[in-house]
Amino acid sequence: DAEITQSPRHKITETGRQVTLACHQTWNHNNMFWYRQDLGHGLRLIHYSYGVQDTNKGEVSDGYSVSRSNTEDLPLTLESAASSQTSVYFCASSELDSQDTQYFGPGTRLTVL
Amino acid sequence: DAKTTQPPSMDCAEGRAANLPCNHSTISGNEYVYWYRQIHSQGPQYIIHGLKNNETNEMASLIITEDRKSSTLILPHATLRDTAVYYCIVRVAHAGNNRKLIWGLGTSLAVNP
Repeated sequence: DAEITQSPRHKITETGRQVTLACHQTWNHNNMFWYRQDLGHGLRLIHYSYGVQDTNKGEVSDGYSVSRSNTEDLPLTLESAASSQTSVYFCASSELDSQDTQYFGPGTRLTVL
Repeated sequence: DAKTTQPPSMDCAEGRAANLPCNHSTISGNEYVYWYRQIHSQGPQYIIHGLKNNETNEMASLIITEDRKSSTLILPHATLRDTAVYYCIVRVAHAGNNRKLIWGLGTSLAVNP
């Protein structure tokens, strides 16, 4: 069955370190998204991509970067992790013509000490 | 941007219908209403969406008022597995074809035995 996976599921890192969170989908979806979820906030969009070599900033993109070299993967990189980036991160994907019907991964819980 | 208002929490007895309200009084004519849910410690799950007409699928029914200022998600026979946070989301149009979903805090539905 097609699916979307995230790894690692849990990560603890130190302030200043570079961290990369992986997202892999086997639906062959063009669209992929990264969100973060914090207590007291709804999901907030970090970056998104509408296809290979396409990336766009979301509402909370500072300190994060993404690259899309193939259809299946959209890794999220924290260039220099900060404690404010402690959060649960969700990756999602959707079909080209059904952008808002998104399929979510299980999430990565990141703790920055 | 159109935003939504939902009650923070609701209870429902197992086997009964769960009716989850959502207010979106500033919605524009071309904005869809989406519903997702998030079971504890999992990624969000798409449920249903609509523009003007009522919609039904295998998971739920969506009733949108004629003036489109509010909607109700109906789970016809709630089970314990329906205990989750339910998000009512309005899709917001942006420049070009870029759109994003505005996530609020949702309604925490507890289905009780």
